[in-house]
Amino acid sequence: KAGVTQTPRYLIKTRGQQVTLSCSPISGHRSVSWYQQTPGQGLQFLFEYFSETQRNKGNFPGRFSGRQFSNSRSEMNVSTLELGDSALYLCASSSPGGAGTEAFFGQGTRLTVV
Amino acid sequence: SQQGEEDPQALSIQEGENATMNCSYKTSINNLQWYRQNSGRGLVHLILIRSNEREKHSGRLRVTLDTSKKSSSLLITASRAADTASYFCAKGAAGNKLTFGGGTRVLVKP
Repeated sequence: KAGVTQTPRYLIKTRGQQVTLSCSPISGHRSVSWYQQTPGQGLQFLFEYFSETQRNKGNFPGRFSGRQFSNSRSEMNVSTLELGDSALYLCASSSPGGAGTEAFFGQGTRLTVV
Repeated sequence: SQQGEEDPQALSIQEGENATMNCSYKTSINNLQWYRQNSGRGLVHLILIRSNEREKHSGRLRVTLDTSKKSSSLLITASRAADTASYFCAKGAAGNKLTFGGGTRVLVKP
């Protein structure tokens, strides 16, 4: 079974631009969550999508948004990039129905904002 | 903000020794999960322990949970150089939202 795939792996953007990150979950997994990891704030939950609906949302500004497609693939978008958005963005998928099950993480997208 | 506090923040041991790290949390849990991360890469799930469980084992890993003290510990026995990584506890809540602690960086010296 293929794991969680995130693309791209690395990205460099300029302040003010926007960026879209992609995540393909494990086949059959309908829950996809996104996390931001920075040295200062650690791992922080962004949002979770389940069956194309946002089920949970973390405490991030509206510049951070996401969506999920009918094949469970998910994208997250960050608009008007700031230097502080530089981080490792991790996507995780969980099994069907998954309340309180283990999460399988992708390798992440490292975003650098200059 | 993070739900849990992990202790210690960093740990350096010799190969073959045991490593113990602790995690405290503030509010009630559905489950507590432990993950490993190597060098800023993706996280790997280690163990999930539910709120009605007290101890779980997986290979050289042992996790305990004390809900009265709102704390959990992860023990790695007979450590190997390959165990060098950061270890995170995460509180599982509604849906699949995970709230992570700050992590413990473990260095296993050969």
